[in-house]
Amino acid sequence: KAGVTQTPRYLIKTRGQQVTLSCSPISGHRSVSWYQQTPGQGLQFLFEYFSETQRNKGNFPGRFSGRQFSNSRSEMNVSTLELGDSALYLCASSRGTSGQETQYFGPGTRLLVL
Amino acid sequence: AQSVSQHNHHVILSEAASLELGCNYSYGGTVNLFWYVQYPGQHLQLLLKYFSGDPLVKGIKGFEAEFIKSKFSFNLRKPSVQWSDTAEYFCAVNARSGGGADGLTFGKGTHLIIQP
Repeated sequence: KAGVTQTPRYLIKTRGQQVTLSCSPISGHRSVSWYQQTPGQGLQFLFEYFSETQRNKGNFPGRFSGRQFSNSRSEMNVSTLELGDSALYLCASSRGTSGQETQYFGPGTRLLVL
Repeated sequence: AQSVSQHNHHVILSEAASLELGCNYSYGGTVNLFWYVQYPGQHLQLLLKYFSGDPLVKGIKGFEAEFIKSKFSFNLRKPSVQWSDTAEYFCAVNARSGGGADGLTFGKGTHLIIQP
């Protein structure tokens, strides 16, 4: 069974731009969560989607948003990029909501903001 | 909100040494507990998990962890490490709150280096 896939793997943007990252979950998984990983803050939860609905959101500004499609694929959008948004963005999928199931992680998208 | 504390940020051991990585969490409710590992150049992989039942759980590659509820701890152990265990290890907690969805809260990670 194929794992979680994320595209693109690497991205370079400039301040003020916006970016969209994509995540395809493991087949049969209906929940997708997004995390930000930085050397200073570590791994931080962004939000989770289940059956196209946002179920929970971490402590990030409104510039960070996401959505989930009927096939469970998810996209994350960051508007008005700041230098501090440079990070590895990880997507994780699970069969049910993350409070009840194990999450499986993708390879991540490494975003560099210049 | 829950938080996770990993006691050691860097650990250096020789092959065949025993390993114990500490993890404590703060949350008053019911939790799911995880250890994830990130090998160099690879993505996060699940090492083991605890949802309920026997507090001593066994994972892949000879790792095990013990959930001690009274101490809010979930320490990772391995009796004899190998060079290939060199990696970053993350403890994570997921609060089970009435079936609602809560993201994983991760510790800062422990960078483990095994010297041949």
